[in-house]
Amino acid sequence: SQQGEEDPQALSIQEGENATMNCSYKTSINNLQWYRQNSGRGLVHLILIRSNEREKHSGRLRVTLDTSKKSSSLLITASRAADTASYFCATDAWGYTGANSKLTFGKGITLSVRP
Amino acid sequence: EPEVTQTPSHQVTQMGQEVILRCVPISNHLYFYWYRQILGQKVEFLVSFYNNEISEKSEIFDDQFSVERPDGSNFTLKIRSTKLEDSAMYFCASSEGGASGIYNEQFFGPGTRLTVL
Repeated sequence: SQQGEEDPQALSIQEGENATMNCSYKTSINNLQWYRQNSGRGLVHLILIRSNEREKHSGRLRVTLDTSKKSSSLLITASRAADTASYFCATDAWGYTGANSKLTFGKGITLSVRP
Repeated sequence: EPEVTQTPSHQVTQMGQEVILRCVPISNHLYFYWYRQILGQKVEFLVSFYNNEISEKSEIFDDQFSVERPDGSNFTLKIRSTKLEDSAMYFCASSEGGASGIYNEQFFGPGTRLTVL
């Protein structure tokens, strides 16, 4: 399996419900980032959580990180139809140059929020 | 709010032709990246660039690919002789940089959809 595997692959919920998406990874990381992508569009950065952090909030988003389990979750509270998109987790590790490292993306989760 | 911009939004080319994809990273960022996403697949890393040289590149980034920062604002990806399998969405990203990866928030541009016929 690969770094940055999200589950479920697809999630359909009713507007107003909470959406929880999970990501697992294999190797040690510096940071884990979540991105949103609307169909055929660019990647929008949502949130970054560092390996020494356990939880982070941004508006309706809550991200947790469990480095012992090598997993992260993204919670979107009070979902809206506009939250319909694909969500990706991306991990990085300290690069061999010491410079900022590449991101490795998962396959993504397709979230559908029904009005 | 500062953002990464990319041009063109869509490029159609014939197989074997050269293409140049352009990006303007966020102005105070020091690290630049190219990624690609083949339709329906994962986003894949191509190359990272810092201090006017390549920091890291993937297996995808072969001799047909090159990157350049020709001036203080632009960052380009050139594909010398395009193949059908180069058809993808190409994303440019930039990050501020810093010790211990703290500033490795990578901000992505809207992408260039490359179609090779």
